[in-house]
Amino acid sequence: GNSVTQMEGPVTLSEEAFLTINCTYTATGYPSLFWYVQYPGEGLQLLLKATKADDKGSNKGFEATYRKETTSFHLEKGSVQVSDSAVYFCALRLYGSSNTGKLIFGQGTTLQVKP
Amino acid sequence: DGGITQSPKYLFRKEGQNVTLSCEQNLNHDAMYWYRQDPGQGLRLIYYSQIVNDFQKGDIAEGYSVSREKKESFPLTVTSAQKNPTAFYLCASSIKDGDLYEQYFGPGTRLTVT
Repeated sequence: GNSVTQMEGPVTLSEEAFLTINCTYTATGYPSLFWYVQYPGEGLQLLLKATKADDKGSNKGFEATYRKETTSFHLEKGSVQVSDSAVYFCALRLYGSSNTGKLIFGQGTTLQVKP
Repeated sequence: DGGITQSPKYLFRKEGQNVTLSCEQNLNHDAMYWYRQDPGQGLRLIYYSQIVNDFQKGDIAEGYSVSREKKESFPLTVTSAQKNPTAFYLCASSIKDGDLYEQYFGPGTRLTVT
């Protein structure tokens, strides 16, 4: 089946530290890959996306590269801020006329950044 | 401002009661979705609607019902048949259903059933 696996949280970092949140996927088709962010008490916001192998998505200092050979889409940021504290979700969506726009989510990884 | 509105933000109900969660969008989107979020888990799709007067079951539709009588509205009813209704419910919409269209999420409703 199709699924997304993220690293367990919480991830606790000091401000300005380097961030990596691992995400791997299993998909029967050709997925698009997404990172969403959820700030406390809010809904999800799209952070970045990549639609094909070797694409790099980037936004607000965050980056992720679609690696087909390792079926991964790891999220990275060079220097985190306290305001980056949130829950991060990796998700996939399959191409093809028989597929809906349904997103398949990982379990989420909580990031806590301390001053 | 265009967006998705979910109300109320917090909802409390007694076991055995049906409850309806509201989702309204003024983005003129055709497709709408309901997801459920549980602690330590990702979001799971309950129902989705590609167009007015049409909807399909998602992965966990049992114990839920929806209607789509208007383009801008997609209410979700949590029935007494839902065994574990306490959760955070998120509504989303997209221009159309399909892999090319970004989904936009509402702020969510936290339902607690005791």
